[in-house]
Amino acid sequence: GENVEQHPSTLSVQEGDSAVIKCTYSDSASNYFPWYKQELGKGPQLIIDIRSNVGEKKDQRIAVTLNKTAKHFSLHITETQPEDSAVYFCAASTSNSGYALNFGKGTSLLVTP
Amino acid sequence: KAGVTQTPRYLIKTRGQQVTLSCSPISGHRSVSWYQQTPGQGLQFLFEYFSETQRNKGNFPGRFSGRQFSNSRSEMNVSTLELGDSALYLCASSEGAQRNYEQYFGPGTRLTVT
Repeated sequence: GENVEQHPSTLSVQEGDSAVIKCTYSDSASNYFPWYKQELGKGPQLIIDIRSNVGEKKDQRIAVTLNKTAKHFSLHITETQPEDSAVYFCAASTSNSGYALNFGKGTSLLVTP
Repeated sequence: KAGVTQTPRYLIKTRGQQVTLSCSPISGHRSVSWYQQTPGQGLQFLFEYFSETQRNKGNFPGRFSGRQFSNSRSEMNVSTLELGDSALYLCASSEGAQRNYEQYFGPGTRLTVT
């Protein structure tokens, strides 16, 4: 089945800096890649997603890039703020898994003022 | 629109008991998926329901089951609880007609098995 690896597991940045989280996937048939933000005591919140026919997508301070050849995708957060502190999860899905989301292990991001 | 709601938010059960968790999807959404989240295994897919039919199932034992009602609300049941079933159970709602669609999560039900 699909295997999603996520790095780093923890990331600490200063307010205003950029943060980058990277994921790789194993199933070349994967075609949908969402990113979720989970705050303490809450469910994962969909923050951005990308489909395999697109190489990059931006939404204000957040961007995601996809390299299908290398089978990796990344989340970029610019001008980080303390409220960006949370656990971020990448996921991939494919028809082979009935479009169930296969998640990475998560990245704990800490933005210090 | 109201988000995904899950009840109860917290639950404590004893080994051997059974438990039923409930999920109400976003209005108009017809697909409901269930995930288990633990510190060790992360987020793992349990099953997905669409139009009252199980459309997909993850790699969990038969003690884990679910169903969906005509109003798209869903329940999941875990029988003969084990200590390892302690987890955050998350429900995700999707429009569902087209597979591979955005999934929106509820706040989860925190189950503790003692």
